[in-house]
Amino acid sequence: DQQVKQNSPSLSVQEGRISILNCDYTNSMFDYFLWYKKYPAEGPTFLISISSIKDKNEDGRFTVFLNKSAKHLSLHIVPSQPGDSAVYFCAALNSGGSNYKLTFGKGTLLTVNP
Amino acid sequence: ETGVTQSPTHLIKTRGQQVTLRCSSQSGHNTVSWYQQALGQGPQFIFQYYREEENGRGNFPPRFSGLQFPNYSSELNVNALELDDSALYLCASSWGTSASTDTQYFGPGTRLTVL
Repeated sequence: DQQVKQNSPSLSVQEGRISILNCDYTNSMFDYFLWYKKYPAEGPTFLISISSIKDKNEDGRFTVFLNKSAKHLSLHIVPSQPGDSAVYFCAALNSGGSNYKLTFGKGTLLTVNP
Repeated sequence: ETGVTQSPTHLIKTRGQQVTLRCSSQSGHNTVSWYQQALGQGPQFIFQYYREEENGRGNFPPRFSGLQFPNYSSELNVNALELDDSALYLCASSWGTSASTDTQYFGPGTRLTVL
């Protein structure tokens, strides 16, 4: 069963606009969340993370929001750039349990059009 | 500082055969995790090795096994290959075992096709 869900397989936005990628989780034991970016023929690259003690974490153009009651998180990219075009994976873990094990969603393909 | 490398890039095997995939960790990293990414899916955790010992395992059968060497290179071995083993296999190295405090750096993967 999918414990981490990314329900949008793809998203297309214009350069300079905001990209919003969504992720839902079902396991209430998850308390740490990460976003990875993957270009073709490369491995996933860590982008940004958030602990469940926070509801927002920001790093430059990237901001992650966490809504624990809804078991939902989102990644905002502002402004979007063509180089942001990639597959974005949401991942989660239980830091107090199997803290070595990342559970990934299926990914969302983001295309930023010039 | 070198990145994480994996070999081979692509591999074709037939059902029932055995395969060994290799990973060279980033310099100094003592932990390696292996993931299987089937087509259209996200990476799924297979197991993690820390200082040459298995530290944790996902929902994979025993025919998936691993080794980690003192020089922090590692192997993933799969016996009795099945068609469903066709996937991209990713390794990720890190300074420590916790994925929340120790960033995992992924290699580009090995694409395994089982016919």
